[in-house]
Amino acid sequence: QKEVEQNSGPLSVPEGAIASLNCTYSDRGSQSFFWYRQYSGKSPELIMSIYSNGDKEDGRFTAQLNKASQYVSLLIRDSQPSDSATYLCALWSNFNKFYFGSGTKLNVKP
Amino acid sequence: DVKVTQSSRYLVKRTGEKVFLECVQDMDHENMFWYRQDPGLGLRLIYFSYDVKMKEKGDIPEGYSVSREKKERFSLILESASTNQTSMYLCASSSSRSPLHFGNGTRLTVT
Repeated sequence: QKEVEQNSGPLSVPEGAIASLNCTYSDRGSQSFFWYRQYSGKSPELIMSIYSNGDKEDGRFTAQLNKASQYVSLLIRDSQPSDSATYLCALWSNFNKFYFGSGTKLNVKP
Repeated sequence: DVKVTQSSRYLVKRTGEKVFLECVQDMDHENMFWYRQDPGLGLRLIYFSYDVKMKEKGDIPEGYSVSREKKERFSLILESASTNQTSMYLCASSSSRSPLHFGNGTRLTVT
């Protein structure tokens, strides 16, 4: 079982819609969770951090964490073509290891 | 802002050469990481370091070594470059349990 699981996609949404990206993890003791955006040929860029249960909003982005269900999600409101990228879920495990998911490719169609 | 600087953006080396990839961070982070990324394979951890002179193997350490003599600098060494080490190499740093911050990457081609 992988530490972090993501659907590889691609996830296609029309411009202006809400994109919903999901991630599950196996280490129940994980404490710190992150979402990165990676454009093709570029390095990953941090877009959200979340450390406690609930929602955290930053502009058009909302991260959601449910530790009981071991589930992290990222919502992107009013999706734009410039949001088309691969989104990586990541975490620090309880064993002080950092793990990335394999990423979900998002396509936002004009 | 955290700045992680990788010494080269593009690098071309010949098979059998010894290759050094350098990474410097300016935020006094204790953790530093080297990943490689290939199409369809995601990020794969080569080595990481939690402190000066300390290193731990990641998922794919074979053919690589690392050096961390100073806190701000983490070097990846390809002892004898091979064509299957052609890849994008990404360095990152973090403080404890905080997010990783990446450099711009080095695209290495071994011919």
